[in-house]
Amino acid sequence: SAVISQKPSRDICQRGTSLTIQCQVDSQVTMMFWYRQQPGQSLTLIATANQGSEATYESGFVIDKFPISRPNLTFSTLTVSNMSPEDSSIYLCSSGTGYEQYFGPGTRLTVT
Amino acid sequence: AQTVTQSQPEMSVQEAETVTLSCTYDTSESDYYLFWYKQPPSRQMILVIRQEAYKQQNATENRFSVNFQKAAKSFSLKISDSQLGDAAMYFCAYRSALFSGGYNKLIFGAGTRLAVHP
Repeated sequence: SAVISQKPSRDICQRGTSLTIQCQVDSQVTMMFWYRQQPGQSLTLIATANQGSEATYESGFVIDKFPISRPNLTFSTLTVSNMSPEDSSIYLCSSGTGYEQYFGPGTRLTVT
Repeated sequence: AQTVTQSQPEMSVQEAETVTLSCTYDTSESDYYLFWYKQPPSRQMILVIRQEAYKQQNATENRFSVNFQKAAKSFSLKISDSQLGDAAMYFCAYRSALFSGGYNKLIFGAGTRLAVHP
């Protein structure tokens, strides 16, 4: 299994600002995923990040709002841009080996 | 498109008893994977158990087992000898096994919140 860490674990941000979330995997992986979990809800995939190429975004998510970097096989960042209170959520990084997928501890974001 | 349905928003069980969480899914595919994830208040998503659709035998991991009914598209999770630490949100998830040139995404159900009473 992969061990995934995220920073920060939580943050409180002002509306209109941006926050970059970091995700580190303890082994080299091809694909990394970013999910959003709104309060009391299930997980929604934001985008899939493949090293060396542009991230693939799911319907309803755009690169200008959620730019993603994937500089190497163990690291990725997600930026939440021009935040509004509706962006208050838990953001989770994920990756997998084979057919199993593992998750980081999540970043709890509150936008005031 | 595939969908995953968890019809029990909340469940409760007494410590040491057995509880079953329900999950149904809709797909036209014949090859796929099914998973149960646990999310305690710490919010860490923990993989509990997986099932490959081509396997007839139900998966088991210690106190956790599944009842996989492929024809009925049902995938329930049974927790035996429930413990206080089992209290969490449980998510059922589906992933296609078809080669798509990329990595097939997980599709999650809405979740079931399990409370364990001493």
